[in-house]
Amino acid sequence: QLQLQESGPGLVKPSETLSLTCTVSGGSISSSDYFWGWIRQPPGKGLEWIGSMYYSESTYYNPSLKTRVTIVSTSKNHFSLELSSVTAADTAVYYCARLCSSSSCYLSAFDIWGQGTMVTVSS
Amino acid sequence: EIVLTQSPGTLSLSPGERATLSCRASQSVSSSYLAWYQQKPGQAPRLLIYGASSRATGIPDRFSGSGSGTDFTLSISRLEPEDFAVYYCQQYGSALMYTFGQGTKLEIK
Repeated sequence: QLQLQESGPGLVKPSETLSLTCTVSGGSISSSDYFWGWIRQPPGKGLEWIGSMYYSESTYYNPSLKTRVTIVSTSKNHFSLELSSVTAADTAVYYCARLCSSSSCYLSAFDIWGQGTMVTVSS
Repeated sequence: EIVLTQSPGTLSLSPGERATLSCRASQSVSSSYLAWYQQKPGQAPRLLIYGASSRATGIPDRFSGSGSGTDFTLSISRLEPEDFAVYYCQQYGSALMYTFGQGTKLEIK
């Protein structure tokens, strides 16, 4: 059964770069069937899509974050998020997730999520 | 960018009652690309509905979705205690762009 797990520092200083890794178990991100993504949720607020990727080929970013975001695959079971020049507004729970791969919902929704990791931006 | 507006912000109901949650888009959305999620405190969102009306794997049939164009609805026919949570709608646009509504909190009356 496919599972996702986020990892990385829980505290990042303002103006530095936030770096997180998503570990995929029970499957491989290199499969041509799957797209992957990052979503975040500030404390007490709603969900914001950050970006999505297709293994080693294509990336797609939220225009509001595009100049600061990089999503890459780092191995067949890992992909990462980097967000540069962070401020307190980037404090959030960060989720990695898989986009639906079946023909009935292809790419239209996130069907498997990690548990999320809290990142606080503070000096 | 398509903006999704959910209403009401908070819905107070009792177990056994029917819940109706609304999601309105600023532009027409293909029904194939409208999804609903449930999120409980401290947990990741869970996919409930995709394609506006199709239930995801393992979702009870008391959950149903409907709508088209700019107006979509999530209905829960008979509320169970575990259904009280926050619900989000989400749309998929071109070039793998995704936006979420601001959420509706369903609380016990």
